[in-house]
Formats: sequence, structure tokens, C-alpha cells
Amino acid sequence: QQQVKQSPQSLIVQKGGISIINCAYENTAFDYFPWYQQFPGKGPALLIAIRPDVSEKKEGRFTISFNKSAKQFSLHIMDSQPGDSATYFCAASGSYLARQLTFGSGTQLTVLP
Amino acid sequence: DAEITQSPRHKITETGRQVTLACHQTWNHNNMFWYRQDLGHGLRLIHYSYGVQDTNKGEVSDGYSVSRSNTEDLPLTLESAASSQTSVYFCASSPGGAGYNEQFFGPGTRLTVL
Repeated sequence: QQQVKQSPQSLIVQKGGISIINCAYENTAFDYFPWYQQFPGKGPALLIAIRPDVSEKKEGRFTISFNKSAKQFSLHIMDSQPGDSATYFCAASGSYLARQLTFGSGTQLTVLP
Repeated sequence: DAEITQSPRHKITETGRQVTLACHQTWNHNNMFWYRQDLGHGLRLIHYSYGVQDTNKGEVSDGYSVSRSNTEDLPLTLESAASSQTSVYFCASSPGGAGYNEQFFGPGTRLTVL
């Protein structure tokens, strides 16, 4: 079964610190790796995404690092802010399943003021 | 503005009853999805549709059904609700065609089965 394993389950970071969330996948056919952000009472929303032809993608304070040989990817949130407190989901998809996403189990991030 | 809506937002029902959750999108997206969200499991795909009259089973489809009679709507039916189906349900949509389409999620429906 296709799986995406995400860790940690919860993370507490001080304001201004770096938050790091890790994901690992098994299916080598996956070639699209998005991260979704979800605030309480809301649906998830796309935060940032990467394809394996690059090892890193940065958008503002958010960076995805991708290691194809290890089948791992991670989200780094620099200068974490209390407004970043949310649940983060990694996901993966393959070109033959381009419209389906397999999600990780989620990480609840709390940024303390 | 285009959007995706779900109704009801909260529902309490009894074991054995049939329940239908509505999902409506105004983006004219071909692809629609239903997920359930449970602590420790993330989002798991229940059913999905790539267009009118097209429906497909996802990872956790047992006990659920969908039908797609138009582009805008994909209702999710629980044929005989069970306590194990207590969850938060999310509908999502994405544009059609090949490629890595962003999925847009609705606000969710919290379902409690007593």
C-alpha cells in the first residue's frame, strides 16, 4: 500500500525558531510532493510543493528539502511565528495518479510567543 | 468568488441511519474528492470522481458511496452509519487534465454517529 510517513506528530517551537517536519515515502513512482497547512476548523490549503528534479524549493520563510535517494522530504519554517501554529500535512502523488494525493498523518505545530 | 462548500457543517446521527453529506463547487473543476480526517491517520481518500458519471473507490470506501450527476456536486452517502464513521469529512476539487493539480478543500463536515 502506498504510504507517506510523517514525523513528528507534534512540535513546539519558540517564536523565531526553526520548525522542521519530516516525511518519508516508499513508492518510487511518486513525483510530486506538496505540503498542506490546516488551521483549526478549516480545510487544508496548499502551502508549497516540489518536484524531484530539484533538491530544494523556497517560498518566503517556507522551504522544502528533497532527498530522492533517501526517499525523504522535509518542510523547514524559518523564523517561526505564532500565526504559523497549525497542522501540517505532507503528501505525494505520481504522474500516473496525478490527481490523487496520499497524505501523511499530520504534524501539529505550536509556536510559542 | 468561486468556492467549495459543504453541508451540513455538523451532523449527529444514529447507528444504522443513512446519511448524505453535500459538496458543491463553483470552479467548474472536473476532479472531486472525498476524504475523512482522523487523529493519527491524516487524510484518507474515500471516493473520487474525474468527471460527470465517473466515480472511483479510494483507500477507505467500504460503507460509503458517491454519485456524480453534474460537474458541481459530489454527494457522499453513508448507507448505514456506523460508529467507526464518526469523523471529519472533507471534500476537495481540482482542475481536470494531466498534471499536478492543487486540490482545493471545503471547510469540512463533522459527523458523529451515536
